[in-house]
Amino acid sequence: QVQLVQSGTEVKKPGSSVKVSCKASGGTFSSYTVGWVRQAPGQGLEWMGRIIPILRIASYAQKFQGRVTITADKSTSTVYMELSSLRSEDTAVYYCARGFYESSGYYGYWGQGTLVTVSS
Amino acid sequence: DIQMTQSPSSLSASVGDRVTITCRASQGISNYLAWYQQKPGKVPRLLIYAASTLQSGIPSRFSGSGSGTDFTLTISSLQPEDVATYYCQEFNSAFGPGTKVDIK
Repeated sequence: QVQLVQSGTEVKKPGSSVKVSCKASGGTFSSYTVGWVRQAPGQGLEWMGRIIPILRIASYAQKFQGRVTITADKSTSTVYMELSSLRSEDTAVYYCARGFYESSGYYGYWGQGTLVTVSS
Repeated sequence: DIQMTQSPSSLSASVGDRVTITCRASQGISNYLAWYQQKPGKVPRLLIYAASTLQSGIPSRFSGSGSGTDFTLTISSLQPEDVATYYCQEFNSAFGPGTKVDIK
Protein backbone atom coordinates (compact mmCIF):
# COMPACT_ATOMS: atom_id res chain seq x y z
CA GLN A 1 0.00 0.00 0.00
CA VAL A 2 1.57 3.27 -1.14
CA GLN A 3 1.67 5.97 1.52
CA LEU A 4 2.98 9.49 1.39
CA VAL A 5 3.59 11.06 4.80
CA GLN A 6 4.34 14.77 4.96
CA SER A 7 6.02 16.85 7.63
CA GLY A 8 3.98 18.91 10.05
CA THR A 9 2.45 22.34 10.21
CA GLU A 10 4.75 25.32 9.74
CA VAL A 11 4.44 28.96 10.74
CA LYS A 12 6.87 31.28 8.98
CA LYS A 13 7.71 34.97 8.83
CA PRO A 14 7.47 36.88 5.55
CA GLY A 15 10.75 36.72 3.65
CA SER A 16 11.82 33.41 5.16
CA SER A 17 11.86 29.93 3.59
CA VAL A 18 10.04 26.69 4.31
CA LYS A 19 11.04 23.13 3.50
CA VAL A 20 8.35 20.47 3.47
CA SER A 21 9.14 16.77 3.29
CA CYS A 22 7.20 13.89 1.78
CA LYS A 23 8.26 10.35 2.71
CA ALA A 24 7.06 7.48 0.54
CA SER A 25 6.50 3.91 1.65
CA GLY A 26 5.06 0.80 0.04
CA GLY A 27 6.43 0.47 -3.46
CA THR A 28 9.36 1.55 -5.58
CA PHE A 29 10.22 5.17 -5.10
CA SER A 30 12.73 6.33 -7.65
CA SER A 31 10.94 5.86 -10.95
CA TYR A 32 7.66 7.54 -9.98
CA THR A 33 6.96 11.22 -10.53
CA VAL A 34 6.30 13.19 -7.37
CA GLY A 35 4.56 16.51 -7.74
CA TRP A 36 3.80 19.35 -5.37
CA VAL A 37 0.40 21.03 -5.35
CA ARG A 38 -0.81 23.77 -3.06
CA GLN A 39 -4.25 25.00 -2.05
CA ALA A 40 -4.79 28.38 -0.46
CA PRO A 41 -7.74 28.70 1.93
CA GLY A 42 -11.00 28.41 -0.01
CA GLN A 43 -9.14 28.29 -3.32
CA GLY A 44 -8.38 25.71 -6.00
CA LEU A 45 -5.45 23.41 -6.60
CA GLU A 46 -2.24 24.97 -7.90
CA TRP A 47 0.54 22.86 -9.42
CA MET A 48 4.01 23.96 -8.34
CA GLY A 49 6.41 21.45 -9.86
CA ARG A 50 7.55 17.85 -9.95
CA ILE A 51 10.55 15.57 -9.82
CA ILE A 52 11.42 12.09 -11.03
CA PRO A 53 13.80 10.92 -8.29
CA ILE A 54 15.73 8.43 -10.38
CA LEU A 55 16.57 11.15 -12.88
CA ARG A 56 16.93 13.92 -10.29
CA ILE A 57 15.27 16.18 -12.83
CA ALA A 58 12.79 18.73 -11.51
CA SER A 59 10.54 21.06 -13.44
CA TYR A 60 8.58 23.99 -12.09
CA ALA A 61 5.55 26.06 -12.90
CA GLN A 62 6.59 29.39 -14.37
CA LYS A 63 4.95 31.21 -11.47
CA PHE A 64 7.33 29.62 -8.97
CA GLN A 65 10.53 29.58 -11.03
CA GLY A 66 13.42 30.86 -8.96
CA ARG A 67 11.53 30.54 -5.71
CA VAL A 68 10.86 26.81 -5.40
CA THR A 69 13.28 23.90 -5.28
CA ILE A 70 12.21 20.26 -5.35
CA THR A 71 14.77 17.62 -4.42
CA ALA A 72 14.77 13.90 -3.70
CA ASP A 73 16.76 11.65 -1.37
CA LYS A 74 16.59 8.12 -2.77
CA SER A 75 18.22 6.65 0.34
CA THR A 76 15.26 7.66 2.49
CA SER A 77 12.53 7.69 -0.22
CA THR A 78 11.85 11.32 0.64
CA VAL A 79 11.04 14.26 -1.59
CA TYR A 80 11.45 17.84 -0.40
CA MET A 81 9.89 21.10 -1.54
CA GLU A 82 11.53 24.33 -0.45
CA LEU A 83 9.83 27.67 -1.08
CA SER A 84 11.74 30.87 -0.43
CA SER A 85 10.92 34.58 -0.06
CA LEU A 86 7.64 33.70 1.59
CA ARG A 87 4.77 36.16 1.57
CA SER A 88 1.30 36.07 3.07
CA GLU A 89 -0.16 34.80 -0.22
CA ASP A 90 1.87 31.60 0.21
CA THR A 91 -0.32 30.60 3.15
CA ALA A 92 -1.77 27.30 1.97
CA VAL A 93 -1.94 23.56 2.40
CA TYR A 94 0.90 21.99 0.45
CA TYR A 95 0.42 18.48 -0.92
CA CYS A 96 2.84 16.02 -2.42
CA ALA A 97 1.35 13.57 -4.89
CA ARG A 98 2.76 10.56 -6.74
CA GLY A 99 2.06 9.20 -10.16
CA PHE A 100 0.08 6.01 -9.96
CA TYR A 101 2.27 4.17 -12.49
CA GLU A 102 5.91 4.64 -13.43
CA SER A 103 6.62 7.96 -15.10
CA SER A 104 2.94 8.87 -14.79
CA GLY A 105 1.98 12.49 -14.27
CA TYR A 106 -1.47 11.45 -13.10
CA TYR A 107 -1.49 11.73 -9.33
CA GLY A 108 -3.04 8.61 -7.87
CA TYR A 109 -1.54 8.95 -4.40
CA TRP A 110 -1.53 12.02 -2.21
CA GLY A 111 0.08 13.03 1.06
CA GLN A 112 -2.08 14.28 3.90
CA GLY A 113 -1.11 17.90 3.29
CA THR A 114 1.05 20.35 5.26
CA LEU A 115 -0.36 23.68 6.36
CA VAL A 116 2.09 26.53 5.94
CA THR A 117 1.06 29.83 7.47
CA VAL A 118 3.02 32.96 6.60
CA SER A 119 2.44 35.72 9.09
CA SER A 120 4.40 38.46 10.81
CA ASP B 1 2.86 27.31 -19.39
CA ILE B 2 -0.41 25.90 -20.69
CA GLN B 3 -3.51 27.40 -19.06
CA MET B 4 -6.53 25.30 -18.15
CA THR B 5 -10.04 26.72 -17.89
CA GLN B 6 -13.27 25.07 -16.73
CA SER B 7 -16.94 25.80 -17.04
CA PRO B 8 -19.18 26.27 -15.27
CA SER B 9 -17.49 27.40 -12.07
CA SER B 10 -20.38 25.92 -10.11
CA LEU B 11 -23.59 24.06 -10.74
CA SER B 12 -26.55 22.76 -8.84
CA ALA B 13 -28.44 19.70 -10.06
CA SER B 14 -30.96 17.17 -8.81
CA VAL B 15 -30.19 13.62 -7.80
CA GLY B 16 -30.30 11.47 -10.92
CA ASP B 17 -29.49 14.33 -13.30
CA ARG B 18 -26.81 14.07 -15.95
CA VAL B 19 -24.04 16.57 -15.23
CA THR B 20 -21.38 17.76 -17.68
CA ILE B 21 -18.28 19.81 -16.88
CA THR B 22 -16.00 21.15 -19.58
CA CYS B 23 -12.28 21.84 -19.51
CA ARG B 24 -10.28 23.68 -22.12
CA ALA B 25 -6.50 23.83 -22.59
CA SER B 26 -4.86 26.93 -24.03
CA GLN B 27 -3.04 24.72 -26.52
CA GLY B 28 -3.36 21.13 -27.64
CA ILE B 29 -2.43 18.48 -25.10
CA SER B 30 -3.54 15.36 -27.01
CA ASN B 31 -5.26 13.19 -24.38
CA TYR B 32 -2.91 14.07 -21.53
CA LEU B 33 -5.66 15.07 -19.14
CA ALA B 34 -6.91 13.93 -15.75
CA TRP B 35 -9.98 14.67 -13.67
CA TYR B 36 -9.95 14.81 -9.86
CA GLN B 37 -12.68 15.00 -7.26
CA GLN B 38 -12.11 16.85 -4.00
CA LYS B 39 -14.61 16.75 -1.16
CA PRO B 40 -14.46 19.41 1.58
CA GLY B 41 -11.55 18.80 3.94
CA LYS B 42 -10.26 15.85 1.91
CA VAL B 43 -7.35 15.27 -0.44
CA PRO B 44 -8.10 15.11 -4.16
CA ARG B 45 -8.94 11.76 -5.71
CA LEU B 46 -8.03 10.74 -9.24
CA LEU B 47 -11.17 9.85 -11.21
CA ILE B 48 -10.10 9.68 -14.84
CA TYR B 49 -6.77 9.76 -16.64
CA ALA B 50 -5.70 9.90 -20.26
CA ALA B 51 -8.90 11.89 -20.82
CA SER B 52 -11.23 8.89 -20.78
CA THR B 53 -9.79 6.01 -18.72
CA LEU B 54 -11.63 5.37 -15.48
CA GLN B 55 -9.33 4.92 -12.49
CA SER B 56 -9.76 1.65 -10.62
CA GLY B 57 -12.55 1.76 -8.04
CA ILE B 58 -14.31 4.79 -9.50
CA PRO B 59 -18.05 4.32 -10.19
CA SER B 60 -18.99 3.84 -13.82
CA ARG B 61 -21.35 6.84 -13.74
CA PHE B 62 -18.23 8.96 -14.21
CA SER B 63 -16.88 9.25 -17.73
CA GLY B 64 -14.50 11.48 -19.62
CA SER B 65 -14.00 12.40 -23.24
CA GLY B 66 -12.11 14.78 -25.46
CA SER B 67 -8.75 15.36 -27.06
CA GLY B 68 -6.63 18.29 -28.11
CA THR B 69 -7.99 21.33 -26.32
CA ASP B 70 -11.55 20.42 -25.30
CA PHE B 71 -12.52 17.86 -22.70
CA THR B 72 -15.61 16.89 -20.73
CA LEU B 73 -16.36 15.08 -17.49
CA THR B 74 -19.82 13.57 -17.29
CA ILE B 75 -21.67 12.19 -14.29
CA SER B 76 -24.48 10.15 -15.82
CA SER B 77 -26.71 10.11 -12.75
CA LEU B 78 -25.76 12.52 -9.98
CA GLN B 79 -25.66 11.02 -6.48
CA PRO B 80 -25.54 12.82 -3.12
CA GLU B 81 -22.00 11.55 -2.52
CA ASP B 82 -20.85 13.32 -5.71
CA VAL B 83 -21.09 16.72 -4.03
CA ALA B 84 -17.53 17.99 -4.46
CA THR B 85 -15.29 20.24 -6.48
CA TYR B 86 -13.95 18.77 -9.71
CA TYR B 87 -10.65 19.73 -11.27
CA CYS B 88 -9.08 18.95 -14.61
CA GLN B 89 -5.30 18.76 -14.88
CA GLU B 90 -2.85 18.55 -17.74
CA PHE B 91 -0.47 15.62 -17.26
CA ASN B 92 2.08 16.63 -14.61
CA SER B 93 1.14 20.27 -14.89
CA ALA B 94 -1.52 22.91 -14.40
CA PHE B 95 -4.95 22.42 -12.88
CA GLY B 96 -8.15 24.06 -13.98
CA PRO B 97 -9.86 26.43 -11.50
CA GLY B 98 -12.42 23.83 -10.45
CA THR B 99 -16.17 23.28 -10.74
CA LYS B 100 -18.20 23.05 -7.57
CA VAL B 101 -21.10 20.59 -7.80
CA ASP B 102 -23.92 20.47 -5.32
CA ILE B 103 -27.44 19.06 -5.04
CA LYS B 104 -30.47 21.19 -5.79
